[in-house]
Amino acid sequence: GDSVTQMEGPVTLSEEAFLTINCTYTATGYPSLFWYVQYPGEGLQLLLKATKADDKGSNKGFEATYRKETTSFHLEKGSVQVSDSAVYFCALTTGANSKLTFGKGITLSVRP
Amino acid sequence: SAVISQKPSRDICQRGTSLTIQCQVDSQVTMMFWYRQQPGQSLTLIATANQGSEATYESGFVIDKFPISRPNLTFSTLTVSNLSPEDSSIYLCSVVQGSTYNEQFFGPGTRLTVL
Repeated sequence: GDSVTQMEGPVTLSEEAFLTINCTYTATGYPSLFWYVQYPGEGLQLLLKATKADDKGSNKGFEATYRKETTSFHLEKGSVQVSDSAVYFCALTTGANSKLTFGKGITLSVRP
Repeated sequence: SAVISQKPSRDICQRGTSLTIQCQVDSQVTMMFWYRQQPGQSLTLIATANQGSEATYESGFVIDKFPISRPNLTFSTLTVSNLSPEDSSIYLCSVVQGSTYNEQFFGPGTRLTVL
């Protein structure tokens, strides 16, 4: 079955540091890939997505590139802010049924 | 994007009772889903709520424990029955709108604590 593997957390960074959160996947067919973010006390929000190989999703300074050859969708940001502190989930869906498979999530804490 | 509300936002229940969670969307949506997020864990899909027919449950989830209704294209309920402390979780509904089959929007969640 489909699966998503995220790097182990939590991650603690200083403000303005570079961020990389690794995500790899296994899937049948050609999945669409997503990063969702959950800020403290809030619901899940779509951060960015990519629907085919070599697509780059971007939003709020975050980027992730759909790498079919390495089955990866790593999340990056050049300079993190305290407000980026949240839990980040990598996810995928295949086919028209739209069911999402999530990774375990990783908690990011950014200190001033 | 669709605006999704859930009621209640949180509740504390006694074991053996049931809780019904409502999910309301401000526009008609193609698909609705219910997820569970156990403490410190990721999200797990419980079922797909089908309009006018029985929900489609994922492995490990059964209708007797998680009955779901979806009477129209904007509303669904999830009941968590015969509660036990292991049911303490956040329950979220999500929707797919129109032809954006590869994008889901989530409600704010319902935080359930079972004593």
